[in-house]
Amino acid sequence: DGGITQSPKYLFRKEGQNVTLSCEQNLNHDAMYWYRQDPGQGLRLIYYSQIVNDFQKGDIAEGYSVSREKKESFPLTVTSAQKNPTAFYLCASSFGRYTEAFFGQGTRLTVV
Amino acid sequence: QKEVEQDPGPLSVPEGAIVSLNCTYSNSAFQYFMWYRQYSRKGPELLMYTYSSGNKEDGRFTAQVDKSSKYISLFIRDSQPSDSATYLCAMRDNAGNMLTFGGGTRLMVKP
Repeated sequence: DGGITQSPKYLFRKEGQNVTLSCEQNLNHDAMYWYRQDPGQGLRLIYYSQIVNDFQKGDIAEGYSVSREKKESFPLTVTSAQKNPTAFYLCASSFGRYTEAFFGQGTRLTVV
Repeated sequence: QKEVEQDPGPLSVPEGAIVSLNCTYSNSAFQYFMWYRQYSRKGPELLMYTYSSGNKEDGRFTAQVDKSSKYISLFIRDSQPSDSATYLCAMRDNAGNMLTFGGGTRLMVKP
């Protein structure tokens, strides 16, 4: 089945640690995105990538980093510089800039 | 003012009712419009995708776009308890810029 797989589903991090969230898609989509969702709020764009080896900052990129070495994969690292990392993280992909986006099931990150 | 406004709800309706969910927006360049359904602790699921103005129907769901009023709607006929979720609208402009989301409307359909 084609789709977007995020792992892990739940992640706990100690303060001061970096953690990496995985996002893999087998839809042959060119574009991939990371969003953050806080309770009662909409989705805010962290980073996006239109093609391999290229990515751009979204609205709230501070404290996050990404890589796009393969078309299928777009991992997100939440660094210790992110002041308030506890949130629900969503990865999405689309064929291109003008098409609809499809989402993974999300990773819930909690800082303990 | 946010670019895309959506009443957060909650909107509570009895089973079988017709539901109307709405978004208003300020950017006249938006051309592509989407509706997503999100169950608690899950990723958003694409329900409808429309381009420019007009209506689109898919089963119990109808999406409507009125660009002159900068207003989009999602209608759900014969609502079911399984429709209880948060509904997010999203839109893109012709330049292919990133999706801009509304804050979501929480819908509760009571048996």
